[in-house]
Amino acid sequence: LAKTTQPISMDSYEGQEVNITCSHNNIATNDYITWYQQFPSQGPRFIIQGYKTKVTNEVASLFIPADRKSSTLSLPRVSLSDTAVYYCLVGDMGDKIIFGKGTRLHILP
Amino acid sequence: EAQVTQNPRYLITVTGKKLTVTCSQNMNHEYMSWYRQDPGLGLRQIYYSMNVEVTDKGDVPEGYKVSRKEKRNFPLILESPSPNQTSLYFCASSLLGAGNQPQHFGDGTRLSIL
Repeated sequence: LAKTTQPISMDSYEGQEVNITCSHNNIATNDYITWYQQFPSQGPRFIIQGYKTKVTNEVASLFIPADRKSSTLSLPRVSLSDTAVYYCLVGDMGDKIIFGKGTRLHILP
Repeated sequence: EAQVTQNPRYLITVTGKKLTVTCSQNMNHEYMSWYRQDPGLGLRQIYYSMNVEVTDKGDVPEGYKVSRKEKRNFPLILESPSPNQTSLYFCASSLLGAGNQPQHFGDGTRLSIL
């Protein structure tokens, strides 16, 4: 299991692009990188997943450099409703899952 | 609607009284898992199941049991609950394993053990 390291918290303003970086130095060849969003007292919600290079969907982009030892979740033009905890996970199909403590993102008006 | 359903949503009970939290998914997912979430500790995996009759321990399995007799159901059993099991619990499922597949989470069960 690759351990992940994320900033504990971040602040940003409405309308800005927010980038949250996750470090996973021991990522294995078959591991994928997955990001979840969680609001208070709700279950985590899947945001995006990738293996290498760049993945984009309707809510976020995920940038993964060639060495795959880190990844960056990019949220374009954030709003107050993006205030949440964001978790980076690294793993393969049958792995135990370690969520860590995530990054608490606070969006200011 | 695709969903993971947990019951009950809230429960207050006493030490030693056996309880079961049910979890059901309607997506025909192979993989199911239980997590607990405590302030300052994040989400920690309790048990997971890759398929029917296949279960494995997560990071914090002590004091819990699970069973997977049918694909859709994955109940969490506390045989003799103790106050340190007071927590917010989430059930999740994914098509195959959770490391490389998106997990779908239930709405959570808040347990208070007095």
